[in-house]
Amino acid sequence: EPEVTQTPSHQVTQMGQEVILRCVPISNHLYFYWYRQILGQKVEFLVSFYNNEISEKSEIFDDQFSVERPDGSNFTLKIRSTKLEDSAMYFCASIERRGGYQQFFGPGTRLTVL
Amino acid sequence: KNEVEQSPQNLTAQEGEFITINCSYSVGISALHWLQQHPGGGIVSLFMLSSGKKKHGRLIATINIQEKHSSLHITASHPRDSAVYICAVNNFGNEKLTFGTGTRLTIIP
Repeated sequence: EPEVTQTPSHQVTQMGQEVILRCVPISNHLYFYWYRQILGQKVEFLVSFYNNEISEKSEIFDDQFSVERPDGSNFTLKIRSTKLEDSAMYFCASIERRGGYQQFFGPGTRLTVL
Repeated sequence: KNEVEQSPQNLTAQEGEFITINCSYSVGISALHWLQQHPGGGIVSLFMLSSGKKKHGRLIATINIQEKHSSLHITASHPRDSAVYICAVNNFGNEKLTFGTGTRLTIIP
C-alpha cells in the first residue's frame, strides 16, 4: 500500500539553526499539508500546498517557515531560525484531490530544539 | 472557527469491554475523521464520514450531522487498541483538518 514517508524521524538542533524536514507524499496525490503537535497538545494545521504554491497557512506559519516541492516528489518544510517553542512532532499529509478524500499521514519528524 | 471537543480525555477499560468515544463540533462540516495515534506518534486514518455509519472490523463510527456529534465504538476491546483516538473535521470547502484534543484509551488485559 502506498504511504507517505518523512525524514528524518528525529532531528535535534540548536536554537537559531535552520532545519529542513522532508516528506515524500503518495505519488498521485495533489494536495499536501504540514501539521505539528507540541508534546501533550493537539495537532495543529500549519500550511497547505497545491499546484506549487501555498493555498492556506495558519497564524503559526510566520516568516520563519517556508515550504517547497523542489523536484516533484519531495515536499519540504524549512524553519529558518529555530526557537525552543518549535520543538514538536511535525506531520506531513497528502490527499489525492479535493472533495472528501482521506488524508494520509507520514510517521512524523520529532524536532527537538535545544 | 470550528471547536472540536472530545470526551472522555482518558479512558481505561478491561479487555473485552465495549468502548465509546465521543466527538462534538461547533460548526457544520463536510467530513469528520477518526484517527489513531500510537505511542510512537504516527497517525493512522481509521474513518472518514460525512453521514450515517461506517464499520471496519471491530470499529464502528457514527455521525449525526444535525446534532454535530460523532461517536467511535470499539467492540471486544483488546490491549492492542490502546492508543490515542483523535477526531478531526473538514470545514466546507476546506481540506485542512481541525483536530480535537484526543482520547487516550488504555485496555488492560
